[in-house]
Amino acid sequence: DAGVTQSPTHLIKTRGQHVTLRCSPISGHKSVSWYQQVLGQGPQFIFQYYEKEERGRGNFPDRFSARQFPNYSSELNVNALLLGDSALYLCASSFGTENTGELFFGEGSRLTVL
Amino acid sequence: QKEVEQDPGPLSVPEGAIVSLNCTYSNSAFQYFMWYRQYSRKGPELLMYTYSSGNKEDGRFTAQVDKSSKYISLFIRDSQPSDSATYLCAMRASSGSARQLTFGSGTQLTVLP
Repeated sequence: DAGVTQSPTHLIKTRGQHVTLRCSPISGHKSVSWYQQVLGQGPQFIFQYYEKEERGRGNFPDRFSARQFPNYSSELNVNALLLGDSALYLCASSFGTENTGELFFGEGSRLTVL
Repeated sequence: QKEVEQDPGPLSVPEGAIVSLNCTYSNSAFQYFMWYRQYSRKGPELLMYTYSSGNKEDGRFTAQVDKSSKYISLFIRDSQPSDSATYLCAMRASSGSARQLTFGSGTQLTVLP
């Protein structure tokens, strides 16, 4: 069975640009969450989506947005990139919203902002 | 002060040693506690998942939660070189809008053969 897949795996952008990261959850999982992991730190919650609706949002500026599609895949968009946005962006899926403890993570998209 | 504090290490032990990893937290609303393992350049992998206080054992791994002290631990017995990774504690509240996980900063473990 395929796990959580994310694309692209690596990308380099310059300040002020926009980036779109994509995630496909495990088959049958309806909830997708996004986390940002800065080097040397633990992941920090950005968004959770369930059945195409936003169910939670972390302490991130409005430059960060996301959406979930009818097939439960998801996109994370970041506008007006800053150097501090350089991080590993992790997508995680779970069957529902309650058992978010049993999150299954993808391998991440590593974003470098120059 | 961070909601979850975790000793970043690095921690280096010989093969076969017992490893103890710990986290403290300040939010009394946390009810679910997890340990994730993250290999270099990979996503976190769930190791242990516990609810409220108590112990849970799975093979060489034992997770302990002491809610009165706001302290959780992960013990690894008979540690192996393949256990070398960063270990992240994570926790969340049981209801309401706070369904996201709050992670510690991770402890980097190296098991020497």
